[in-house]
Amino acid sequence: AQSVTQPDIHITVSEGASLELRCNYSYGATPYLFWYVQSPGQGLQLLLKYFSGDTLVQGIKGFEAEFKRSQSSFNLRKPSVHWSDAAEYFCAVASGGGNKLTFGTGTQLKVEL
Amino acid sequence: DAMVIQNPRYQVTQFGKPVTLSCSQTLNHNVMYWYQQKSSQAPKLLFHYYDKDFNNEADTPDNFQSRRPNTSFCFLDIRSPGLGDAAMYLCATNAGGGTDTQYFGPGTRLTVL
Repeated sequence: AQSVTQPDIHITVSEGASLELRCNYSYGATPYLFWYVQSPGQGLQLLLKYFSGDTLVQGIKGFEAEFKRSQSSFNLRKPSVHWSDAAEYFCAVASGGGNKLTFGTGTQLKVEL
Repeated sequence: DAMVIQNPRYQVTQFGKPVTLSCSQTLNHNVMYWYQQKSSQAPKLLFHYYDKDFNNEADTPDNFQSRRPNTSFCFLDIRSPGLGDAAMYLCATNAGGGTDTQYFGPGTRLTVL
């Protein structure tokens, strides 16, 4: 069965600093990978996704992620964090023909001004 | 314009009193999903409809049912809510392919008294 691990439950960074959120997955076939962001009391918004091709994926809001098959990782990065990036971030892997998303437990990002 | 709409945003019910949550979409997507997200946890898939075909997750309690009367609407029925069912319920849709993004609604926060 597929699974996603996000090792960091909470991360605090200063505004303007760089950010990396870790995600490791376990899946037998070629994974479809996603990063979603959730603001308090809101639904999930897609930041970016990877299916194939270039392993460095660009998303919205200045985020990017790199797929590393050898490490089973799909880490999310942003070069300069803004206070509005404070939210919870979920990594997910799709299976079942893409009709089932398995989420990691999320990383809560706090941004210090 | 809102693409996945959930009503109500907040629902309070009493222990054991049936409750129905509503989801509608303007995307004409084939697939509609219901997720349960408890506080500080990842969203957990309850079931999904691919067109009219209902797909229940193996560990979804029988207390949870769903209806999809047409392409646009999908309902989540909780027959006898318990205190442990208090959560955010998220509806999502996608077109049905493995590479298709799931679009999430804002969620309904259910409180059980």
